[in-house]
Order: sequence, then structure tokens, then C-alpha cells
Amino acid sequence: AQSVTQPDIHITVSEGASLELRCNYSYGATPYLFWYVQSPGQGLQLLLKYFSGDTLVQGIKGFEAEFKRSQSSFNLRKPSVHWSDAAEYFCAVAGNTGKLIFGQGTTLQVKP
Amino acid sequence: DGGITQSPKYLFRKEGQNVTLSCEQNLNHDAMYWYRQDPGQGLRLIYYSQIVNDFQKGDIAEGYSVSREKKESFPLTVTSAQKNPTAFYLCASSGTSYNEQFFGPGTRLTVL
Repeated sequence: AQSVTQPDIHITVSEGASLELRCNYSYGATPYLFWYVQSPGQGLQLLLKYFSGDTLVQGIKGFEAEFKRSQSSFNLRKPSVHWSDAAEYFCAVAGNTGKLIFGQGTTLQVKP
Repeated sequence: DGGITQSPKYLFRKEGQNVTLSCEQNLNHDAMYWYRQDPGQGLRLIYYSQIVNDFQKGDIAEGYSVSREKKESFPLTVTSAQKNPTAFYLCASSGTSYNEQFFGPGTRLTVL
């Protein structure tokens, strides 16, 4: 069955520190992968996506993610976190039925 | 500006009443989706529609109904049969073969 796992429910980092959010997926074919961000009480905004080609993809707000097929992972990274990055982050994989399968989300807290 | 609108942002309902949440998009997307979000549970798919006049149940369709009479509109009705309707509801649309979804700002429904 297709699934997405975000192992970390909650992460706290200091402002200016680097960030890595983990995402593991289960999908038989070449996956289409996404990272979304959600501020409290808001909708989801697409940060970046991977369809094919270069396994390191750049997104908005200084985020990047690396697709590693051998590890079934698509981890999100940012070199230096800003207080405004505090939000909930969702990893998703496009299933073969036209739907997105979301992970449970990781809540990021940024310490001043 | 192209995008997805949801109204109202906050909705209060008495037990036993049906209520309809609006979702409109001007992105010319074929597919539209409704999700329910509860704290700590990520996004759960209620219904989706890949074309006008056709829709399918998602993972938690019981107690909900939808219609898709126009490409731009995909209203969700929360019926009195839904046992625990208090939640944040998100609408999304997709127009690409990669299933990239664009989200509206959400409607928070509270049952009094």
C-alpha cells in the first residue's frame, strides 16, 4: 500500500540553525513527491516538488529537498531557519489513483 | 488572481443541522478535493471529483455529501449524520497529470 511517514511529530530548532525534516514513502513506481507548509489556521502552500531528473530540488523560502530512491526518502532541508518558518510541514506522494497521500505532518517550533 | 476560495472562514452549526461549505476555483482545474483536518491527524480525504458531474468517496465520506455541477465549484455538505463534524475543512484542486494540488484557505466548522 502507498504510504508516507514523517517520523518526527514535533521539532524545535534555534533561529539560524539548520533544519532537516524527514519523509519516507512507500510506492512501487517512480514517485511524484511534494512538501507543503501550513501556518496555523491557513491552507497548505506548496514548498517544492519532485517529478523526475535532478534529485536535489529547490523550492520557495530557501528550502530544498533531496530524493533518495535507495532509501525511499525525500527529506526537506534549510540551511538557516527563520522565526517565520515555524509552521506545520507535510510530505505527500501522488498515488496512482489521482490522489495525494499525506504524511501526518511535522510541527516546527523555532526558538529565538 | 487565480486561486481557490472557501467560504465562510468560520462556521457554527447546531447539532442536527446540515451545513454546506463552499469551494470555488478559477484555475480551470478538472479535479477538486475535500479534506478534513483534525489536530495530530494530518489530512484525511472526504470526497474528490476528477471531472464535472462525477465524484468518488475518499477515506472518510460517511456523513458528508458533495456535488459537482460546474467545473469551478465543489460544495461540501456536512449532514446531521456526521457524528463529530467539528474540524478544519480544506478544499484543493489539481489540473496537472502530476497531481500537484493547490489549496484554499480552509473553513473551520464548529458544532455547538
